Amino acid sequence: SQKIEQNSEALNIQEGKTATLTCNYTNYSPAYLQWYRQDPGRGPVFLLLIRENEKEKRKERLKVTFDTTLKQSLFHITASQPADSATYLCALPGEYSGAGSYQLTFGKGTKLSVIP
Amino acid sequence: EPEVTQTPSHQVTQMGQEVILRCVPISNHLYFYWYRQILGQKVEFLVSFYNNEISEKSEIFDDQFSVERPDGSNFTLKIRSTKLEDSAMYFCASSEALERYQAFFGQGTRLTVV
Repeated sequence: SQKIEQNSEALNIQEGKTATLTCNYTNYSPAYLQWYRQDPGRGPVFLLLIRENEKEKRKERLKVTFDTTLKQSLFHITASQPADSATYLCALPGEYSGAGSYQLTFGKGTKLSVIP
Repeated sequence: EPEVTQTPSHQVTQMGQEVILRCVPISNHLYFYWYRQILGQKVEFLVSFYNNEISEKSEIFDDQFSVERPDGSNFTLKIRSTKLEDSAMYFCASSEALERYQAFFGQGTRLTVV
């Protein structure tokens, strides 16, 4: 079955630096991949979606890459701020998604702490 | 900005009791989901609902669980006889037809079974 790994449970970086989070997956060839942000006790919030034919996608200070050969996505936050501190989740289409169901399979997340 | 709303925010129930978790998805959305997150673990898919029926469900979604969309706005998750291991955060999510891959999540209901 499909498996998603986010390389670190926690990442601490200095304010102003670029944070890079990694998502690896196995046993799967997804048509797209998503990144969500989750704050403690709150629901995930959609950030970016990248499709299999896209190498890179940007939104403000966020950048996502998608390497279908390596089965890996990298998520970058440039000029990081303390407000960026949260858990970032990688998500792939669920195993049986499609035809009325576009459910997601989530990784466990990486908790990012941006230190002032 | 439209949002998914869930009630209650926190529910405490005794083992064996029935609970109903309520959600109001975003009004023009067509796809509806329930997920759960046990404390410290990842968000897990439970069930998806489209065109007034279940379109997919996970192994977690057994006979103790049911979903309903009783009117044009509400979407409920019922757990018939709660167990201790049902304690988790339950998230409702919805997505629209054009951007169906992008899910909008509610703030969750924290269910505590004692």
